[in-house]
Amino acid sequence: DAEITQSPRHKITETGRQVTLACHQTWNHNNMFWYRQDLGHGLRLIHYSYGVHDTNKGEVSDGYSVSRSNTEDLPLTLESAASSQTSVYFCASSEEYPYNEQFFGPGTRLTVL
Amino acid sequence: AQKVTQAQTEISVVEKEDVTLDCVYETRDTTYYLFWYKQPPSGELVFLIRRNSFDEQNEISGRYSWNFQKSTSSFNFTITASQVVDSAVYFCALSEATSNDYKLSFGAGTTVTVRA
Repeated sequence: DAEITQSPRHKITETGRQVTLACHQTWNHNNMFWYRQDLGHGLRLIHYSYGVHDTNKGEVSDGYSVSRSNTEDLPLTLESAASSQTSVYFCASSEEYPYNEQFFGPGTRLTVL
Repeated sequence: AQKVTQAQTEISVVEKEDVTLDCVYETRDTTYYLFWYKQPPSGELVFLIRRNSFDEQNEISGRYSWNFQKSTSSFNFTITASQVVDSAVYFCALSEATSNDYKLSFGAGTTVTVRA
């Protein structure tokens, strides 16, 4: 069965360190998204990609970057982790129409000390 | 500006009571799509329903029903005869069908607690 996975599921890091969160999907979807979930804010879009070598900034992109070298993977990098980036991160993918639902990964809980 | 507003932060009910979740959206597009997602305590996000802006017919699916009203920009969700397993955070989301744009805008979520 097709799926979307994230790793690690839990991560504790220190302020200033570079962190990369992995997202892998086997749906063969061109669209992939990264969100962060914080209490009171719902899910906020960090970065998204509509295909290989395509990346776009979302509403909370500062301090984050992504790259898309293949269809299956969209890793999210925190260049220099900050305590404000402590959050739960979700990756999602969808087909190429606005009416298509997004399929979500299980999430990564990141703590920055 | 917030495109999707879920004014209710938390709702607590006793089992078998009905629960209605409010969602108000804002868009200039004439074609758009509205979604409800459920996030149970285990944390995963589960797609529940999608409606498009051309279809105002309300729908019932088992204990769930949806009320879409373009005149008030609302897309409300009702759980009839709630059960403990309905305890979750529920998110309303909007997709605007502008050219090649597939982003979802989420509301802040409503936490539903169903007590036995």
